[in-house]
Amino acid sequence: DGGITQSPKYLFRKEGQNVTLSCEQNLNHDAMYWYRQDPGQGLRLIYYSQIVNDFQKGDIAEGYSVSREKKESFPLTVTSAQKNPTAFYLCASSINRDRGQPQHFGDGTRLSIL
Amino acid sequence: AQSVTQPDIHITVSEGASLELRCNYSYGATPYLFWYVQSPGQGLQLLLKYFSGDTLVQGIKGFEAEFKRSQSSFNLRKPSVHWSDAAEYFCAVGSEYGNKLVFGAGTILRVKS
Repeated sequence: DGGITQSPKYLFRKEGQNVTLSCEQNLNHDAMYWYRQDPGQGLRLIYYSQIVNDFQKGDIAEGYSVSREKKESFPLTVTSAQKNPTAFYLCASSINRDRGQPQHFGDGTRLSIL
Repeated sequence: AQSVTQPDIHITVSEGASLELRCNYSYGATPYLFWYVQSPGQGLQLLLKYFSGDTLVQGIKGFEAEFKRSQSSFNLRKPSVHWSDAAEYFCAVGSEYGNKLVFGAGTILRVKS
């Protein structure tokens, strides 16, 4: 079955450490997205990529970095510069960057601070 | 800039009762509107979407939503709620450029038996 796989499901970060969240899709979608979800705040866009080797900052990109070297993969690195990283992180994809294309979501990674 | 308001943080309904979840958006032109549902610890699943045409949109799991331009609203409805509908519901509007989404804060639905 096609879909989006996020790993790990749970992740713990020590102070000063960078951690990388994995997102893989086999839907052959061009566009991919990373969201951060905090209770009572909905989803906020961190980064998005409309095509391989291209990505743009979303609304809350500070303290995060991404890469898009392959169409199916869009990893997110939470750097030590992100002072409040505890959250639920969701990866999504859409068939292309055209307006109105539905986004399909993975099951998320919950990141906590040790 | 686009924005979405979901006025109700929590809603509790009895099983078998009708449901309406409210969503108000701010957008200058014809919006692209979506409703998603999220079970605890899971990702989001698309319930329905509105782009243009008929203002009453049918979705999965028996849900429907009505677009009212004059009220800038896109409320989600279901005639008879099942216990399995307990979840968090998000309304979203598409941005002016590209395919970015702006989400509301969500409404948590509790179903009592």
